[in-house]
Amino acid sequence: QKEVEQNSGPLSVPEGAIASLNCTYSDRGSQSFFWYRQYSGKSPELIMFIYSNGDKEDGRFTAQLNKASQYVSLLIRDSQPSDSATYLCAVIMEYGNKLVFGAGTILRVKS
Amino acid sequence: GAVVSQHPSWVICKSGTSVKIECRSLDFQATTMFWYRQFPKQSLMLMATSNEGSKATYEQGVEKDKFLINHASLTLSTLTVTSAHPEDSSFYICSARGAPGGDTQYFGPGTRLTVL
Repeated sequence: QKEVEQNSGPLSVPEGAIASLNCTYSDRGSQSFFWYRQYSGKSPELIMFIYSNGDKEDGRFTAQLNKASQYVSLLIRDSQPSDSATYLCAVIMEYGNKLVFGAGTILRVKS
Repeated sequence: GAVVSQHPSWVICKSGTSVKIECRSLDFQATTMFWYRQFPKQSLMLMATSNEGSKATYEQGVEKDKFLINHASLTLSTLTVTSAHPEDSSFYICSARGAPGGDTQYFGPGTRLTVL
């Protein structure tokens, strides 16, 4: 079992729709969770982080964390073609010092 | 805030030469810096973790004598690819962690290395 799992996609959504990106992790003791966006040929950029169960909203983005289910998700409202990228879920494990990344989900927003 | 720069953004070198890549945290002190490598259409691969003033910790399979890492200050880490070969051609990305983001890592823009 991979430590951080994401569906590779591509996930295709029409412009204006809600894109839902999902991630599961194996270490029940993990405390810190991050979503990064990576455009082709560019480095990752931080979208948001979440530490507590529940929802955290920042503009069009909402991160959702459910530690009991070991599940973290990212919702993108009013998706735009410029949101088309690879979305990376990353977790810091309980006794870890480094980010463990999922393989990423490719999102395509069609105009 | 939390800006990380890398220099150069791209470099082309001949096989057998060494290349140094700099990573700087511009507006915060980075207690820890990380170096990643990414091949086309593949995931980020962590190469090493460096803490200011101490030796870097390399991931399994990464040759420490080939990829020299120096974290001389709280704002600067360097990666030197020694005796580069075409198979070292890749996208090298650093990230930095420290105040203000706690355990959040902020990534530099990356350096694209091409070895001829």
